[in-house]
Amino acid sequence: QTVVTQEPSLTVSPGGTVTLTCASSTGAVTNGNYPNWYQQIPGQAPRSLIYSTTNKQSWTPARFSGSLLGGKAALTLSGVQPEDEADYYCLLYSGGGVVFGGGTKLTVL
Amino acid sequence: QLQLQESGPGLVKPSETLSLTCTVSGGSISTSGYYWGWIRQPPGKGLEWIGNIYYNGNTYYNPSLNSRVTISADTSKNQFSLRLSSVTAADTAVYYCARAKGGLTTYPDWGQGTLITVSS
Repeated sequence: QTVVTQEPSLTVSPGGTVTLTCASSTGAVTNGNYPNWYQQIPGQAPRSLIYSTTNKQSWTPARFSGSLLGGKAALTLSGVQPEDEADYYCLLYSGGGVVFGGGTKLTVL
Repeated sequence: QLQLQESGPGLVKPSETLSLTCTVSGGSISTSGYYWGWIRQPPGKGLEWIGNIYYNGNTYYNPSLNSRVTISADTSKNQFSLRLSSVTAADTAVYYCARAKGGLTTYPDWGQGTLITVSS
C-alpha cells in the first residue's frame, strides 16, 4: 500500500512563510493523485483547505495555497497567523484508494 | 446546511464487531455525485481512511481493512453505517463520518467524531 510522507513538525514565526510537503512512496505526486490538504485543531474534526492540488474551499483564507513542488504536493502558508497553529494532513488518491499522510504539526512561535 | 452525526456504543470488546451509524440531515445520501465515508484517528495519531459508499451503493474500502469492513446505507432513514469485525485494541480511535464531493479525496463536511474504545 502507498505510504504518504509529511514533515513531522515545522516551526514558523508569525508573519512568516512556510511550506509543508507531501510525498508518495510510489513516485512523484501528480494532479492525478488529487492532492488534498486538511487542517486539524486539537479536539476538532479536520477541515478541508485545498482540493485537487490548488483549489481552495470557500472558507480557506487567501494565505493558504497548494501546488506541486519537486515531485511532491505542497501547502504554502504566507503571512502565518497564530491561529494557523494546527496539524496539517495531506490526502492522496493512489491505487484505487485514498491514503492520508502522517501529518505535520505546525507551531507558530 | 448539511450535518452529520455519528452514533455508536462507545465501548466494544475485543474480537467483537464495531457498529457505527451516521445520521445525515440537511441533505440526502441519495443525491448523485456524493460519497459517504468513514475516517478514524487513534488517540494522539494521524488520520486513516476506512472507506466510502457512493450514492449508487458502490463501496470502496481501505485494502488494509478490507476483509473486516462493511459500509452500508439506509436511504429511508438517511443514514449510512460502518461495521468493523474482529476488533482489537488497535481499533480504538475517534471515528468520523464525512461527505466526499467529486471523488474520494475531498471531504468538505464532517461529523464531530465519536470515540470508540476496544477493551474488555
